[in-house]
Amino acid sequence: KAGVTQTPRYLIKTRGQQVTLSCSPISGHRSVSWYQQTPGQGLQFLFEYFSETQRNKGNFPGRFSGRQFSNSRSEMNVSTLELGDSALYLCASSLGVASDTQYFGPGTRLTVL
Amino acid sequence: AQSVTQLGSHVSVSEGALVLLRCNYSSSVPPYLFWYVQYPNQGLQLLLKYTTGATLVKGINGFEAEFKKSETYFHLTKPSAHMSDAAEYFCAVSAGGTSYGKLTFGQGTILTVHP
Repeated sequence: KAGVTQTPRYLIKTRGQQVTLSCSPISGHRSVSWYQQTPGQGLQFLFEYFSETQRNKGNFPGRFSGRQFSNSRSEMNVSTLELGDSALYLCASSLGVASDTQYFGPGTRLTVL
Repeated sequence: AQSVTQLGSHVSVSEGALVLLRCNYSSSVPPYLFWYVQYPNQGLQLLLKYTTGATLVKGINGFEAEFKKSETYFHLTKPSAHMSDAAEYFCAVSAGGTSYGKLTFGQGTILTVHP
């Protein structure tokens, strides 16, 4: 079974721009979670989507948004990029129950200049 | 609310020595607990998890973890370290219930293995 895929793997943007990251979950998984990983703050939960609905959200500003499509693929968008948004963005898929294992993709490395 | 504290941001062992990575958690409800490993420039890979039942959990690559509710810890061990174990390790907790898709992670422990 194919794993979680994320595109692109690397991105360089400038302040003020916006960016869209994509995540394709494991076949059959309906839940997709997004995380931001930085050296200073570690791994932080952004949001989770299940069957095209956002079920849970972390403590990030409204510039961070996401969506999920009917095939469970998910995108996250960051508008008006700031230098502090430079991070590794990881998505994870699961069946959608809290005890389920989340399977992580390789991440998208975003650099904001 | 849930929180995870990993004791020691860096742990160094010799090849063949015992690996012990410590994780303490705080949760208002019975938690689900996970250990993940991350190699450079990669995502996270599950080593093992605790949901219910036996408090000694066996995982991949010879790792195991003990869940001790009375002392709120979920420490990860491996009897004999291998060079390939060098990586960053994360302990995580899920509160269950309506905390859909949310894992709360510790700050990570970088494991160095010396020949």
